[in-house]
Amino acid sequence: QPVLTQPPSLSGAPGQRVTISCTGGSSNIGAGSDVNWYQQLPGAAPTLLIRADSIRPSGVPDRFSGSKSGTSASLAITGLQADDEADYYCQSYDRGLSVSVFGTGTKLTVL
Amino acid sequence: EVRLVQSGAEVKKSGESLKISCQGSGVNYWIGWVRQKPGKGLEWMGMIYPGDSDTRYNPSFRGQVTISADKSTNTAYLQWNTLKAADTATYYCVRQSPSAPMDPWGQGTLVTVSS
Repeated sequence: QPVLTQPPSLSGAPGQRVTISCTGGSSNIGAGSDVNWYQQLPGAAPTLLIRADSIRPSGVPDRFSGSKSGTSASLAITGLQADDEADYYCQSYDRGLSVSVFGTGTKLTVL
Repeated sequence: EVRLVQSGAEVKKSGESLKISCQGSGVNYWIGWVRQKPGKGLEWMGMIYPGDSDTRYNPSFRGQVTISADKSTNTAYLQWNTLKAADTATYYCVRQSPSAPMDPWGQGTLVTVSS
């Protein structure tokens, strides 16, 4: 079962910039499949944060940005705020198995 | 704006059957299911197009659950014939298509299975 790999945890102080990586393979990110990012606040359902590698849906602050290169993608958060403390997941489509795949998830702590 | 409303929390015993639902506003989109075990990450289970019941499964879940739909109410269902304690999780439904982002998400249905 293909999976996208993320760091289990990251932390940063308010105002700082953090980057969450998402590493896939040649059948998903490397094959050109879009990468989407989701934010899951404590006790809530995930919500779409970034779609198609780098597009912010309406209402998402421009402090959040996405990028992709080769078989990896990244989510950058600038000007960290206390309410950014959440779990973040990347997601893509695996063309070999025709399944949607999620990243392992990253717990972001704002110090 | 599409909205997905899921059925309420369930408490079951091992060996029992269960069917949970997800009703979507509007029509003409795929509805997927995502599992999240307590304290763990997200797993895509499969999806269905209620318009014609075209269904795709994640191979890891094929045979373990059944995804079905009612076109007349734009409702998707997730069904177990024999629950196990390992099925304890929150199940989310999502609007998606095979290669599109998952948005929006339902509020989640917590399924607790006791042994």
